[in-house]
Amino acid sequence: DVKVTQSSRYLVKRTGEKVFLECVQDMDHENMFWYRQDPGLGLRLIYFSYDVKMKEKGDIPEGYSVSREKKERFSLILESASTNQTSMYLCASSLLADTQYFGPGTRLTVL
Amino acid sequence: AQSVTQPDIHITVSEGASLELRCNYSYGATPYLFWYVQSPGQGLQLLLKYFSGDTLVQGIKGFEAEFKRSQSSFNLRKPSVHWSDAAEYFCAVAPTSGTYKYIFGTGTRLKVLA
Repeated sequence: DVKVTQSSRYLVKRTGEKVFLECVQDMDHENMFWYRQDPGLGLRLIYFSYDVKMKEKGDIPEGYSVSREKKERFSLILESASTNQTSMYLCASSLLADTQYFGPGTRLTVL
Repeated sequence: AQSVTQPDIHITVSEGASLELRCNYSYGATPYLFWYVQSPGQGLQLLLKYFSGDTLVQGIKGFEAEFKRSQSSFNLRKPSVHWSDAAEYFCAVAPTSGTYKYIFGTGTRLKVLA
């Protein structure tokens, strides 16, 4: 079974802090994704990566950056956290356009 | 513009009753189609998917979905709902080539009455 793990289930940070969210998958998938989930808005794509060191902006990349130095690891970075970035963050991986496998999510609160 | 619409934000059914969750999409060509379920505090899990072939797709947990090209719909059904089916359900589409960006609907939250 594919396993996608996220470094934290819950995270509390202060405004202005730099925040790192880590995601690791164990199935050698080329594609990895970061989503933000907010009530009533569904899942919105922040960034995705289709290969090591390759990335593309999603629908809401402002205020975020990503890093993919190894195939199995995809990091989301909040350069200077703000309260409007309080949300649930979901990481996923997939092989081509097939099923996306999701991690359990990180609930981030920015105070 | 490409989009996925789940018109029902909340649905409440009694345990044992049948269920249908609606999904309509707007896309240039027939995409790949998916239904995912999210239990409280969890990530999303695939219920079923449609790539091609038979338009009635069977999934896990007794769910099925029917692809109707003429209506651009991919509705999810279950003949008899169990209390453990209470969750949020997401419909999603993905292009068959090129970028692998999914488009998700906004979700339907299912409540099951005992």
